[in-house]
Amino acid sequence: QQQVKQSPQSLIVQKGGISIINCAYENTAFDYFPWYQQFPGKGPALLIAIRPDVSEKKEGRFTISFNKSAKQFSLHIMDSQPGDSATYFCAASKGTGGFKTIFGAGTRLFVKA
Amino acid sequence: GAGVSQTPSNKVTEKGKYVELRCDPISGHTALYWYRQSLGQGPEFLIYFQGTGAADDSGLPNDRFFAVRPEGSVSTLKIQRTERGDSAVYLCASSLNGLAEAQYFGPGTRLLVL
Repeated sequence: QQQVKQSPQSLIVQKGGISIINCAYENTAFDYFPWYQQFPGKGPALLIAIRPDVSEKKEGRFTISFNKSAKQFSLHIMDSQPGDSATYFCAASKGTGGFKTIFGAGTRLFVKA
Repeated sequence: GAGVSQTPSNKVTEKGKYVELRCDPISGHTALYWYRQSLGQGPEFLIYFQGTGAADDSGLPNDRFFAVRPEGSVSTLKIQRTERGDSAVYLCASSLNGLAEAQYFGPGTRLLVL
């Protein structure tokens, strides 16, 4: 019930294309859903986050779509660039009753120039 | 400091030895988290501090792992009787209030147990 399942494991996209990464969760108590970007040798860095009271959030080229009834959320990277090549992690946590954050297994994105 | 710092950046030790990993959070952040990341996996929660107290230590794998944050700032993760399976990157993160908010990660300490 605490798992966050992420797919695909890896993704290759042409420069300028759209990268889409999906996640599913089970625990309906989760109320905060961030996406983190990680480059080799670095710690993860927050990219964008959403709460379940909205269905979509956009920041620049990055959009989260959230489907509460399906318990799924996804990251869309528009106009993907080679500099976006990194590992992306979805995560879920609950703001009360414990602050444990559960991460997905990650998606390795490679954007071809 | 500008961000979360962790020392050492790399640690090689022998099976059975004791290690300490240090985390310096962002100044003013009351919440501090420790995670463990194995190769090709997402960070795995270990423990969360709010101030000086461990608010949630449910992720610590066994009693060989212990963490402290005596003054509510710097934290130390301590691993006794290290095992080869403890080899991983240990990540520290901090956040302002410990609510559902952005966590700022350090670069991690790469621990190798021979």
